[in-house]
Amino acid sequence: AQTVTQSQPEMSVQEAETVTLSCTYDTSESDYYLFWYKQPPSRQMILVIRQEAYKQQNATENRFSVNFQKAAKSFSLKISDSQLGDAAMYFCAYKGNTGNQFYFGTGTSLTVIP
Amino acid sequence: DAMVIQNPRYQVTQFGKPVTLSCSQTLNHNVMYWYQQKSSQAPKLLFHYYDKDFNNEADTPDNFQSRRPNTSFCFLDIRSPGLGDAAMYLCATRSGGALKWGYTFGSGTRLTVV
Repeated sequence: AQTVTQSQPEMSVQEAETVTLSCTYDTSESDYYLFWYKQPPSRQMILVIRQEAYKQQNATENRFSVNFQKAAKSFSLKISDSQLGDAAMYFCAYKGNTGNQFYFGTGTSLTVIP
Repeated sequence: DAMVIQNPRYQVTQFGKPVTLSCSQTLNHNVMYWYQQKSSQAPKLLFHYYDKDFNNEADTPDNFQSRRPNTSFCFLDIRSPGLGDAAMYLCATRSGGALKWGYTFGSGTRLTVV
């Protein structure tokens, strides 16, 4: 299995501020896909954003953007203008270009302070 | 409309008594996944199907089995549940078009072993 690591078990951010969640991964593949998923308490896992490794341009989805550093195998998520509804567990995830396995990182619990 | 439906939402079983969790998807996709998620941990991939091809993760215990009778349905069978098998079990499939694809998850089944 590929290794996906999130070094920040917990993070907090003031409402309306910006926060960055970190993720690193280990792979020998040159082509793959990276994801950030959000899991609110007792609720469903939701896709936040996706990045293809072959694309140099960082993905953005409204207030969410990534900083993808392929050489460093780093994939961080930036949440701008944080809202109370952003409070959740955030998981970084990896899928290689070969096979269908889809692996999650260890997760970061984000608290948004009013 | 729910695209990945897991039943039941909560399941209580006795130690050692076989239990089956079910998942159905309306997306008609050929890939389906089962994950085990223990409290405050990342989802751990147990196995996945590509069509009828079953792919077991190397560290998935033999106690866990799966069946996929057709594209829409997938079952997780736990032959002899132990206390350590108490967890949330998540089912997922791939969703979205060629440019915006991701993975859609069900709401999960929370298994309690007594």
